[in-house]
Amino acid sequence: DARVTQTPRHKVTEMGQEVTMRCQPILGHNTVFWYRQTMMQGLELLAYFRNRAPLDDSGMPKDRFSAEMPDATLATLKIQPSEPRDSAVYFCASGLGGQLSLPPLHFGNGTRLTVT
Amino acid sequence: AQKVTQAQTEISVVEKEDVTLDCVYETRDTTYYLFWYKQPPSGELVFLIRRNSFDEQNEISGRYSWNFQKSTSSFNFTITASQVVDSAVYFCALTTTGGGADGLTFGKGTHLIIQP
Repeated sequence: DARVTQTPRHKVTEMGQEVTMRCQPILGHNTVFWYRQTMMQGLELLAYFRNRAPLDDSGMPKDRFSAEMPDATLATLKIQPSEPRDSAVYFCASGLGGQLSLPPLHFGNGTRLTVT
Repeated sequence: AQKVTQAQTEISVVEKEDVTLDCVYETRDTTYYLFWYKQPPSGELVFLIRRNSFDEQNEISGRYSWNFQKSTSSFNFTITASQVVDSAVYFCALTTTGGGADGLTFGKGTHLIIQP
């Protein structure tokens, strides 16, 4: 079964530290999403890429968050400096964009981030 | 703007009871897609179903069934003869592309507790 792989599964860090989360999308998928899940806000779209180009990052705090796709097999989400309010589960998802009636998005297992 | 409302924050039933999870959506698009995802305690997001706006036929898959009604903008999910393993958070989601590859708008989720 093809799946989206996220690392690390868990991350505990102190406020002010840099955090990097990684995602390996399903081979052949051209669209990658980053979602954040919190109790208060639920699942929020942070950013997404198509063919490695950023299409929308309006959901992402620009001053401390950055998302990149160095190549087609790796997407990264960085927080610098991290703050306690960034504590959440961060999900990566991949899919095939630009067409209808395609397989649904596949989600990774998430990175649970705790900032103390 | 798109919106998905899951008014039931938490539902608790005894095993073998039937339970319905409500989902109401808002969109100005005439072509759209609705999804249900399951998030078990382990945390991953599991795809359950996708329906497009032109197909109002109800769908049944084992103990699961979905009732799509455009007239009331609802896409409700029923579990028949619930089991403890059905305990999870269930999310309804909406997009205008079939695979969700332009981003899914999620509801806040319904936490379903099945008591033995």
